[in-house]
Amino acid sequence: EVQLVESGGGLVKPGGSLRLSCTASGLTLSTTYMTWIRQAPGKGLEWVGRVKSKIDGGTADSAAAVKGRFTISRDDSKNTLYLQMDSLKTEDTAVYYCNTWVEVAGVPADYWGQGTPVTVSS
Amino acid sequence: EIVLTQSPGTLSLSPGERATLSCRASQSVSSSYLAWYQQKPGQSPRLLIYDASSRATGIPDRFTGSGSGTDFTLTISSLEPEDSAVYYCQQYGSSPLTFGGGTKVEIK
Repeated sequence: EVQLVESGGGLVKPGGSLRLSCTASGLTLSTTYMTWIRQAPGKGLEWVGRVKSKIDGGTADSAAAVKGRFTISRDDSKNTLYLQMDSLKTEDTAVYYCNTWVEVAGVPADYWGQGTPVTVSS
Repeated sequence: EIVLTQSPGTLSLSPGERATLSCRASQSVSSSYLAWYQQKPGQSPRLLIYDASSRATGIPDRFTGSGSGTDFTLTISSLEPEDSAVYYCQQYGSSPLTFGGGTKVEIK
């Protein structure tokens, strides 16, 4: 069974940094696209960014709102996805989810972490 | 960036009624790479529909997706009490991927 477990959230001051982790079991992360999605309190879903599968180049891209401040990476030896968040702003306050689709017989099933809350406040 | 606009903002219907949710894109969605998600309070979202009209694993057939280009629809044919949730569309045809603002479905 696929499980994604996030960690690393917490309270940080504006301008600070935080690194989120998403560790997978039952799935080899390098074989799939891994995505970070966030949800501000009482708001909708916002795509943060993704890293492509190794076979598709393993490159990362991100939303304009976080470009240049957030970095998405993957450590294949630890089967873990990371979101390095620098120069944090109050508007980055949200629950952060990691997410992937896994195809079985051509039909995708989506998997989500439990979400890790990030609060940016002085 | 493709902007997705969902309507209505809230839908309040009785069990057994039909729900029709709209998602309009600011430009054509490549290859109909549009998904629908359901999110219940306190839970992670769940994929319902991918490629605009294909049901994901384990999704009941009362959920139907349709549309292409810039106009997409999620139809719930006969509402069940457990369908009370917020529904989001997402395009994954071009980067950055984007979500619509969501439609809340309330069951009377």
